Order: sequence, then C-alpha cells, then structure tokens
Amino acid sequence: QVQLVESGGGLVKPGGSLRLSCAGSGFTFSDHYMTWIRQAPGKGLEWIGYSSSRGITTFYADSVKGRFTISRDNAKNSLYLQMDFLRADDTAIYYCARSYRGYDSNFDCWGQGTLVTVAS
Amino acid sequence: AIQMTQSPSSLSASVGDRVTITCRASQGIEDQLGWYQQKPGKAPNLLIYAASNLHSGVPSRFSGSGSGTDFTLTINGLQPEDFATYYCLQHYNYPLTFGRGTKVEMK
Repeated sequence: QVQLVESGGGLVKPGGSLRLSCAGSGFTFSDHYMTWIRQAPGKGLEWIGYSSSRGITTFYADSVKGRFTISRDNAKNSLYLQMDFLRADDTAIYYCARSYRGYDSNFDCWGQGTLVTVAS
Repeated sequence: AIQMTQSPSSLSASVGDRVTITCRASQGIEDQLGWYQQKPGKAPNLLIYAASNLHSGVPSRFSGSGSGTDFTLTINGLQPEDFATYYCLQHYNYPLTFGRGTKVEMK
C-alpha cells in the first residue's frame, strides 16, 4: 500500500525553526519527485517546492525561498522540510505529495498532513 | 507566476445534478492542469490529470476538458460523496499554482 506519513509539526515562536519529515512506503521512493504543499487554516492550497528524485534539483515558491530547504534521504525513504525564520503566515497544515509518474506534477499520493503553528 | 481563476467559489447542488467548475489561466498552459477533490480534514485526491485524463479509480461521472487557458471539471450525476471542495492546479511552469477552490454544498 502506497503511503506517506508526515511528522514534526508543532508550535514554534516567530523566528524559530522546525524540521518536518515525510516517510514513504509501499513504493520505490527514489523513483519519484516529491513535493511539499501547505494549507493555512480555512484557506486554499499553496505549492511550496519540490525535490527531484535524487535530490539534485529543488525549486521553491517565492514565499519560502531562502527560509525553507527541501532535502531527501532515499536510503531512508524520507523527505524533509527544514523551515527557518518562521513567520505567523507560515501557520498551516503541511502535506508531502508524490509525483504520479515519477517526475510530473500530478500528485497521486498525499500524506495526512502535519500542523505547524507559528505564534508567540 | 501564472494566476488560476477558479469559479464559482461555491455552489449548491442536489444529488443527481450536473455540476460544472471552471478554471482560467492567466496565460496558456497547454493541457498542464490537474483537478483535485478535498474533503474536510483530509488531504486532496487527484481526480483528473493532463486536463482530461481520469485518474485510476476515479468514477467516470467526473470528467475534465479544456486546453490553453480555459478548463472545466464536470460531475455528471452528483453523488452524496461528491460534496467537497475542488481545486485546479497548473503545472505548466514553476511556481505551480492552485485555483482558490470551489466548495460544492448540498442544496
């Protein structure tokens, strides 16, 4: 069964840091681009960025560029999101998602999400 | 960034109705568009990819059409489990951008 499970969310103060993890199972993790998408409470979906299958290429939304870093460890079937200089508007549920055909931007499997709250 | 204008933002419908949701891109995106369904408290699910291709396991009452700048998601014969929020997503170029969503509510 193809599955993604996020972890690492929580409450953090403005200016603080947090590292999210996404563990994949039931598929060959290293064959797929992986993406982070977030959703502020009661709001729509926002694409944050992606990692290519080997982690060589990453790309970020302007809203997080320079503050967030996506990485992966294919030996551990895991994707990471390092979030620094957090702001109140980073408060959201963070989802990791798998590219449908390995490299495209159709997301056929999503994690359950992990909530990040940035507040003092 | 490409802007995706999705309409309507919400609609009320009854079981059995035909429902149409549209997305308009601020520039041509060929067929690089997907549609997602999201239920409260859950992650989104892929319905349609490449504008008109039904994802595996998705009921055939869902269909997508369009190319270039104008796209449509149609639900033929709305079912109780279809009451949800629907999003389009363009992946023609980065940053990927979603429409603002359409909430389909029960009339």
